[in-house]
Amino acid sequence: LAKTTQPISMDSYEGQEVNITCSHNNIATNDYITWYQQFPSQGPRFIIQGYKTKVTNEVASLFIPADRKSSTLSLPRVSLSDTAVYYCLVGDRQAGTALIFGKGTTLSVSS
Amino acid sequence: GAGVSQSPRYKVAKRGQDVALRCDPISGHVSLFWYQQALGQGPEFLTYFQNEAQLDKSGLPSDRFFAERPEGSVSTLKIQRTQQEDSAVYLCASSPRASGNEQFFGPGTRLTVL
Repeated sequence: LAKTTQPISMDSYEGQEVNITCSHNNIATNDYITWYQQFPSQGPRFIIQGYKTKVTNEVASLFIPADRKSSTLSLPRVSLSDTAVYYCLVGDRQAGTALIFGKGTTLSVSS
Repeated sequence: GAGVSQSPRYKVAKRGQDVALRCDPISGHVSLFWYQQALGQGPEFLTYFQNEAQLDKSGLPSDRFFAERPEGSVSTLKIQRTQQEDSAVYLCASSPRASGNEQFFGPGTRLTVL
């Protein structure tokens, strides 16, 4: 399974756009990139998933360059409630395998 | 409710006691996963069920850990002779497909072993 590297922590202010970049240099051809969000005392929550180029939903955007060796989760106009841990995962969407989480990125949003 | 539920939410056990943690997945979900999350770490995989079949238990840390899902719905994670290092949050997740990495997580059970 491809290993991911992401910053341990990031700080931001309300209303700013936050971009969290994840490196996955040995991503395989069949691998998809998935991001999860986790609030304290809750289980992780699926945010977004993509294979290449750009994916956008009501919560975030995911940018994936052509070589797919990295990806960037973009959170527009963050609020205090976006303070959480964000995990980047890489894996074969068609395989019945468990998710491999790293330590994630702790995002702290201040007013 | 529509989500994954787990019970109890908190469990305190004395070292050496046996504990049983319950997971109620989303109705109809084929896949069920158990994860262990230590403080400040990401969740770590324990075991995986597809319906009632336990297809992967490679993450179980010792033979004191046992999981079952006898009717392909509710699952129980049992830990025998608990040790202090077993203290963690135990997360359950379910998925509607046999494959796929969009999983729906429960709130977890926080186990504290004294």
